[in-house]
Amino acid sequence: RKEVEQDPGPFNVPEGATVAFNCTYSNSASQSFFWYRQDCRKEPKLLMSVYSSGNEDGRFTAQLNRASQYISLLIRDSKLSDSATYLCVVLDVFSGGYNKLIFGAGTRLAVHP
Amino acid sequence: SQTIHQWPATLVQPVGSPLSLECTVEGTSNPNLYWYRQAAGRGLQLLFYSVGIGQISSEVPQNLSASRPQDRQFILSSKKLLLSDSGFYLCASTPRRTYEQYFGPGTRLTVT
Repeated sequence: RKEVEQDPGPFNVPEGATVAFNCTYSNSASQSFFWYRQDCRKEPKLLMSVYSSGNEDGRFTAQLNRASQYISLLIRDSKLSDSATYLCVVLDVFSGGYNKLIFGAGTRLAVHP
Repeated sequence: SQTIHQWPATLVQPVGSPLSLECTVEGTSNPNLYWYRQAAGRGLQLLFYSVGIGQISSEVPQNLSASRPQDRQFILSSKKLLLSDSGFYLCASTPRRTYEQYFGPGTRLTVT
C-alpha cells in the first residue's frame, strides 16, 4: 500500500464548477498535512497547510479526518488558472530534527471554458 | 521569507559526463535541505536530505552524491551520468521550527 494515495484523475471540469480531491495516508503517526500545487514543468508550490480539523482560504477548503486518515481539498468556483496537478503531502517527523514529506502522486485538474 | 536559488535552469549532458547542481537558500538559517528528482510524468522522489553542514543522508542508493559545504548551500553531484539520471531536479528547504517545505525553481537535466 502506498504511503499517500490520491484520486487518479485527471479531473476535467468547466469554469465555475466545484471539485473535490481525496487523499488517504497510511501512517497514523503522521503529524502535519499539506496540499501543494504543481504547474506543468514548474516546481511544487505550497497551497495550504492542514494542521487541525481543516483550513479555508478563499475558494479553497482543506479537511482532515485523523481517525479515517483522510484529507480532502475542495475548490469552489473553479478558474482556468486552477488547472494544475494537486499534490497531497504528509509530514513524518523523525529524531534529530529531520522531517520528511511524503508526496502523493498528484491529481491533475483541467478547468475548461 | 526564504528564497531558494538553483542553477543551471536547464542542462544537457552526455552519458558518462560529471554533474554538479547547486542550490543556495536565502532568508533563513540552518534549514533542513533536500534534493528531489521528478522523472517525466512521475511523482517526486527524495534523493538526499541534510539537517546541517556536512550531514547528508541518502534515501536511494545510486550514482549520485550530495554535499553541504555551507549552511545554506547544497550540491548534487555525479561522477558519471546515466541516461536514467534525466529528470527535473528540485532543491527544497524547510526552515527550522517549521514544517512547511519550499522548493527552488529546479534544474531540468537531459542526459543524451
